[in-house]
Amino acid sequence: QQQVKQSPQSLIVQKGGISIINCAYENTAFDYFPWYQQFPGKGPALLIAIRPDVSEKKEGRFTISFNKSAKQFSLHIMDSQPGDSATYFCAASKGNGGATNKLIFGTGTLLAVQP
Amino acid sequence: GAVVSQHPSWVICKSGTSVKIECRSLDFQATTMFWYRQFPKQSLMLMATSNEGSKATYEQGVEKDKFLINHASLTLSTLTVTSAHPEDSSFYICSARRLFGSGTRLTVV
Repeated sequence: QQQVKQSPQSLIVQKGGISIINCAYENTAFDYFPWYQQFPGKGPALLIAIRPDVSEKKEGRFTISFNKSAKQFSLHIMDSQPGDSATYFCAASKGNGGATNKLIFGTGTLLAVQP
Repeated sequence: GAVVSQHPSWVICKSGTSVKIECRSLDFQATTMFWYRQFPKQSLMLMATSNEGSKATYEQGVEKDKFLINHASLTLSTLTVTSAHPEDSSFYICSARRLFGSGTRLTVV
C-alpha cells in the first residue's frame, strides 16, 4: 500500500521528442504527487507537483497528467533536450504535501536524450 | 531563497570510526527534516524523520544506535554514522520542506 511503482526503468529519447514517465500508486490516502530530477552526485530537485483535485498541471516543458480513478500519474517532458538527461523520480505523500509528511519515492527512470 | 545545505559533500573514513553529516535549512526554519540513503542507481530510501526538540523516528530496519540523529535547533539536523563499516558506504541526503540537500557521499575503507 505504501509503494509507488514507476516505469520505465530507463528511457532513450531523441532531441526534440517527448519523454513520458509513468507512476502508479495504491494508497488512496496519498494526496500530493511531486516529480524530482536528479543529476549524478547531486540531491533531487523538485520539478513539478500536483494534487488530486486537478487532472493536469503544466510548468514550461513539464506536464503532469493525473488520473485519480486509475491511481496513476505521469510526467511529460516536451521538446526534450540533452540537458534533461537525468534520473527522474515520482513520489507520493499524505497530508496535502505538508512539510512534516514523508515522501514515498518511485524506483526512478534514467532518461537519456540523444542529440 | 530557501535552500537546504548539506555538509560535507563527501567524506572518507576508516572502518570503526564515526562520521557526522550536517543538514541546515537556510532562510527558513524546519521542525521536521528527513534523512535518506541512496545506493548507486537506486531510489531514495527514507531512514528517519528528524524532529526538532524530540527523538527521531526511524523507519523499520534502520538501526537507531548506528545512525544517530540530533535536531537541536530549527535550522540544523545532524546524522552521525557510528562505528562505520564498508557496508555503510552510500549517498546520504537530507530534506526539509520538500527541498533536498546536495547529498554526502560516504566511503568507509
